[in-house]
Amino acid sequence: DTAVSQTPKYLVTQMGNDKSIKCEQNLGHDTMYWYKQDSKKFLKIMFSYNNKELIINETVPNRFSPKSPDKAHLNLHINSLELGDSAVYFCASSPRGAGANVLTFGAGSRLTVL
Amino acid sequence: AQTVTQSQPEMSVQEAETVTLSCTYDTSESDYYLFWYKQPPSRQMILVIRQEAYKQQNATENRFSVNFQKAAKSFSLKISDSQLGDAAMYFCAYRSKYGGSQGNLIFGKGTKLSVKP
Repeated sequence: DTAVSQTPKYLVTQMGNDKSIKCEQNLGHDTMYWYKQDSKKFLKIMFSYNNKELIINETVPNRFSPKSPDKAHLNLHINSLELGDSAVYFCASSPRGAGANVLTFGAGSRLTVL
Repeated sequence: AQTVTQSQPEMSVQEAETVTLSCTYDTSESDYYLFWYKQPPSRQMILVIRQEAYKQQNATENRFSVNFQKAAKSFSLKISDSQLGDAAMYFCAYRSKYGGSQGNLIFGKGTKLSVKP
């Protein structure tokens, strides 16, 4: 059973479209994250939710909106897609408490905007 | 703000040999956690090893070990008896002990490791 699953794994779309990436974890973790990996492989945090509550919201355009219907799901919705949004988006989760707890990552969703 | 630096964009090692990947970080905190993640071509992020800053003993996981120098803020990864399957991007990461906005992983830019048969 996949611990952190993301769908879709690949997404190709046109500029200006709206798209969503879904993430689900079956680990019972309280905290979920979205990371963006750019073309140079640099990974940076976008959002973090703890038990459905937003706790990290880095400098991300407001076209990006995370939604957490419950603590096992954290979806990422992107409006008015731009070329620069092309990247791999990783969902991750971690158990309660900071520091020692390890993030478990999903396999990533590669978004290509044409 | 904390930063993580990996000064080697690419490294190469002969199969069965040993290689060391470098990582330095900057923080004003005294207690924190350090990690090495591996990203093979499959794209999956895989935890290789982790170190808790308050522990002086270097962490080891089979063929993987770290050299943690807290005063120098250095956290290098040593891979012994390199195997073809070790070829991947390796990311060093820092995580504050505290929660909230400090609780996320801060990554270095990665080192691409090639293993020659």
